[in-house]
Amino acid sequence: GAVVSQHPSRVICKSGTSVKIECRSLDFQATTMFWYRQFPKQSLMLMATSNEGSKATYEQGVEKDKFLINHASLTLSTLTVTSAHPEDSSFYICSASLGRGTDTQYFGPGTRLTVL
Amino acid sequence: DQQVKQNSPSLSVQEGRISILNCDYTNSMFDYFLWYKKYPAEGPTFLISISSIKDKNEDGRFTVFLNKSAKHLSLHIVPSQPGDSAVYFCAASDGNTGKLIFGQGTTLQVKP
Repeated sequence: GAVVSQHPSRVICKSGTSVKIECRSLDFQATTMFWYRQFPKQSLMLMATSNEGSKATYEQGVEKDKFLINHASLTLSTLTVTSAHPEDSSFYICSASLGRGTDTQYFGPGTRLTVL
Repeated sequence: DQQVKQNSPSLSVQEGRISILNCDYTNSMFDYFLWYKKYPAEGPTFLISISSIKDKNEDGRFTVFLNKSAKHLSLHIVPSQPGDSAVYFCAASDGNTGKLIFGQGTTLQVKP
């Protein structure tokens, strides 16, 4: 299957700092990338949909100024958590697809963010 | 409002027996359904999917059944193996946006 990588896998930062998470599709070009977050023992919640070369579409309740998404190429999307606070601590997962409606999403391994 | 529900948070099965994981949805616009397997601190791995034009899809030990009238789908794993122990998420999509709505997950434990 297709491979999606995320970097870093774990990050610990101080409150008020910004953290950037990278998502790369390694062996295919991803027209669409998705960003999710998962709290312990809960479902994956979609944060935003990112299409290459255009602005991301955010889900209701997700602050676009806090979670900056850039999809500069067909193989790379980045999520920047700005001015992070302890409540932003979570497991962030990206996925990538070819972009057609029923295309399978391939998920990255996730990034564990801990904000002190 | 939880559009995709997995009402059983956990399931324990003996090795070699059948595992049946259930999922219900409320949005009749969903027309594509997927099952993902997830280990702790890892991203989900795609298992199997089904389109709403079908009622069954089989891939090796995994079979997904879809009952549209009941808005219910299930994943059957037979025979179950200890390596199948993980959290299983069902997800649904409307087929146009590509967005996936996930259920809460069911933790499957297969005992040797």
